[in-house]
Amino acid sequence: DAGVIQSPRHEVTEMGQEVTLRCKPISGHDYLFWYRQTMMRGLELLIYFNNNVPIDDSGMPEDRFSAKMPNASFSTLKIQPSEPRDSAVYFCASRKYRAGTEAFFGQGTRLTVV
Amino acid sequence: SQQGEEDPQALSIQEGENATMNCSYKTSINNLQWYRQNSGRGLVHLILIRSNEREKHSGRLRVTLDTSKKSSSLLITASRAADTASYFCATDETGGGADGLTFGKGTHLIIQP
Repeated sequence: DAGVIQSPRHEVTEMGQEVTLRCKPISGHDYLFWYRQTMMRGLELLIYFNNNVPIDDSGMPEDRFSAKMPNASFSTLKIQPSEPRDSAVYFCASRKYRAGTEAFFGQGTRLTVV
Repeated sequence: SQQGEEDPQALSIQEGENATMNCSYKTSINNLQWYRQNSGRGLVHLILIRSNEREKHSGRLRVTLDTSKKSSSLLITASRAADTASYFCATDETGGGADGLTFGKGTHLIIQP
């Protein structure tokens, strides 16, 4: 397996534009997580899915953020409209079970909103 | 909210020395995990220690867990330049908490050649 694949690796966009981040988890993993990493706040859990169903989105900062998982091999995180404070590295991770297993991270998408 | 808190925030040592990082957490856990992040890359799992374990080894890594103090330590022996990275602890909480790992802010380790 190629691991967790995220795209794009880098995204620069203007304030107000829509941004879509993509993630392909490891096949067979039942859980998918979206994290955001900044210097100030560290790694924050935004939302996670179990078997394609969103379970907890309490970490999503605002209604401007939304996430979907239409099937077991694809998830998106959308920001509309984007703002400069959304600039961060966004990671997707997957794990096979609820607990007791390691999480596998993608390489991240570095988002810059100007 | 942050669960794990790593200490120190930054650590610089000479190649060949041992590096020790600490992690404190707040709630009851099923297990604690350590991850490494190289600059510009994703996190990579290093080791997992369960709540009923006190110590675990993997190569040059040694992890301890003290559930009474809600703390863990990661020891890297005979450090190498390639060990330069940020190290994070992460916890799986008990009691039906979130299914996602909760991470600390990390310790940035620099190995001086």
